[in-house]
Amino acid sequence: QQQVKQSPQSLIVQKGGISIINCAYENTAFDYFPWYQQFPGKGPALLIAIRPDVSEKKEGRFTISFNKSAKQFSLHIMDSQPGDSATYFCAARGQAGTALIFGKGTTLSVSS
Amino acid sequence: GAVVSQHPSWVICKSGTSVKIECRSLDFQATTMFWYRQFPKQSLMLMATSNEGSKATYEQGVEKDKFLINHASLTLSTLTVTSAHPEDSSFYICSARKAPGLAGGGTDTQYFGPGTRLTVL
Repeated sequence: QQQVKQSPQSLIVQKGGISIINCAYENTAFDYFPWYQQFPGKGPALLIAIRPDVSEKKEGRFTISFNKSAKQFSLHIMDSQPGDSATYFCAARGQAGTALIFGKGTTLSVSS
Repeated sequence: GAVVSQHPSWVICKSGTSVKIECRSLDFQATTMFWYRQFPKQSLMLMATSNEGSKATYEQGVEKDKFLINHASLTLSTLTVTSAHPEDSSFYICSARKAPGLAGGGTDTQYFGPGTRLTVL
């Protein structure tokens, strides 16, 4: 059973556009939702994270929107750049200290 | 910062041999480290949770006798792939969580290493 569903699988956006990636979860015990960026052959790097008591968090060009009632959260990348081309993973975690559960990933390509 | 290193970054071995991968937290102490495996164009799959000074907890379907995990200190965890076979070829990634009680410790953030590419011939 997949606990975190991510879509789309791939995304092509023009330079300067907005990239939107969506995730949905089922386990209401999840209380921490990070987004990671991964380049080929590298480990994931934390982009931004949110807790369910907040509906939105913004850091630079990256924004997380969180809808607790719908059990959904999304990543918005404003003014997308070719350097943003990477694979993005949403994740969720339940009890503190436990491992992250990852979505299947979204490959983003930003055309110049 | 919070830097996690892995060694080696890549390794090629013959089928039947054992390979050890090290995961180190360079500038913080980590009571908990996690080991993930990632196949090409797929997501990260949790293999095991490693707590310093105790036995690792393995996810369902992961053979604990094949993937030996040792977390002997607050800065080092090792994963040994025993009797490796071609199907074990994958990208192995560790992550670490800062120990509670330290500055910034006990937080949600998990810091990932750069990964180790294992190829078994």
